[in-house]
Amino acid sequence: AQSVAQPEDQVNVAEGNPLTVKCTYSVSGNPYLFWYVQYPNRGLQFLLKYITGDNLVKGSYGFEAEFNKSQTSFHLKKPSALVSDSALYFCAVRDRAGRGSTLGRLYFGRGTQLTVWP
Amino acid sequence: EADIYQTPRYLVIGTGKKITLECSQTMGHDKMYWYQQDPGMELHLIHYSYGVNSTEKGDLSSESTVSRIRTEHFPLTLESARPSHTSQYLCASSESGSSGNTIYFGEGSWLTVV
Repeated sequence: AQSVAQPEDQVNVAEGNPLTVKCTYSVSGNPYLFWYVQYPNRGLQFLLKYITGDNLVKGSYGFEAEFNKSQTSFHLKKPSALVSDSALYFCAVRDRAGRGSTLGRLYFGRGTQLTVWP
Repeated sequence: EADIYQTPRYLVIGTGKKITLECSQTMGHDKMYWYQQDPGMELHLIHYSYGVNSTEKGDLSSESTVSRIRTEHFPLTLESARPSHTSQYLCASSESGSSGNTIYFGEGSWLTVV
């Protein structure tokens, strides 16, 4: 069964410091991996995804994520955090079944609240 | 930016009322989804659709129903709202084909049943 774990409910970091939001996954075969961000009272915004190829994926707002197959991880990173990055971050995995009972659906982690303090 | 729209954004209704949450997308996506999310919590898939006249229930049991008469429209209906239905409902869509296609979300509809 597909699953995603975000081991930290909260991450606190000072502005200007690097940030990491952790994500590990369990899925049969090779996964598609996604990161979304949610600001208060808003929907989810797509940040980046890993499909294939280079393990380091660059996305919106200066974020990047590194796919590590041996560790089944897809940690989100940013070299220099901004106060405006404070939000709820979701990691998601999608299996490669495009049809059938799974629909290639997204499986979400529980989310990590990132707080960047000035 | 994704072109997927949800109305109403916020709704407070009394117990027993019937409500419909609207969702429309202008991207021509075949696949559409409804997720339920309590504040600050994980998302749960409650309904999805492959295309017109296709609807399926998701992982989380829900008393809501959906319909897909047109590609761009995927409304969710609660025939008799209860306080336990209080939550945020997120509509999403994606292209068919590869599961690597991104799922795009609307801004969400916050439902409060009193």
